[in-house]
Amino acid sequence: DAGVTQSPTHLIKTRGQQVTLRCSPKSGHDTVSWYQQALGQGPQFIFQYYEEEERQRGNFPDRFSGHQFPNYSSELNVNALLLGDSALYLCASSGRGWNGYTFGSGTRLTVV
Amino acid sequence: QKEVEQDPGPLSVPEGAIVSLNCTYSNSAFQYFMWYRQYSRKGPELLMYTYSSGNKEDGRFTAQVDKSSKYISLFIRDSQPSDSATYLCAILDYGGATNKLIFGTGTLLAVQP
Repeated sequence: DAGVTQSPTHLIKTRGQQVTLRCSPKSGHDTVSWYQQALGQGPQFIFQYYEEEERQRGNFPDRFSGHQFPNYSSELNVNALLLGDSALYLCASSGRGWNGYTFGSGTRLTVV
Repeated sequence: QKEVEQDPGPLSVPEGAIVSLNCTYSNSAFQYFMWYRQYSRKGPELLMYTYSSGNKEDGRFTAQVDKSSKYISLFIRDSQPSDSATYLCAILDYGGATNKLIFGTGTLLAVQP
């Protein structure tokens, strides 16, 4: 049973560029959340998607946007990249009868 | 004041030692408490979660919640080199339209053989 899969695993972008990160949730899960983890810090909540709608959002600017598809997979888009956006981006999924979030291995984004 | 505070370490112990990892939190309404383990270059992996106060044991791991002092702990008995990782405490902020994890900064643990 595949867990949460994220792609790509690593990415290097230049300031001002745009990036799209992808996530496939664990089988049976319908809710996808995105987190940003800076080096040496705990993950910070970006937003959550359920039934293709953004259900809640953390303290991140509008440059961060997302989407959920009918098959529950999700994308995270970041526009106008800043050096400070360099981080590990984690996708987490959950389903009915919540039993904790399952995290993917993340996408490490480096902005130069 | 941060919602969740965690001593970042690093913590280095010899194999076989008992490890104590701790966090404090600010909001007394929180009810669900979790511990995640994160190996280098990997995503967090749920170790244990507890609801409200009390202890929960799973093998060598014991999670403890003291709601009166807003203190959560993870104890690792007979620590092994394979336990070397970053340990993250997390609280589920749940209610209404809210359903998100609030993490501590993580404690880096190294168990020396």
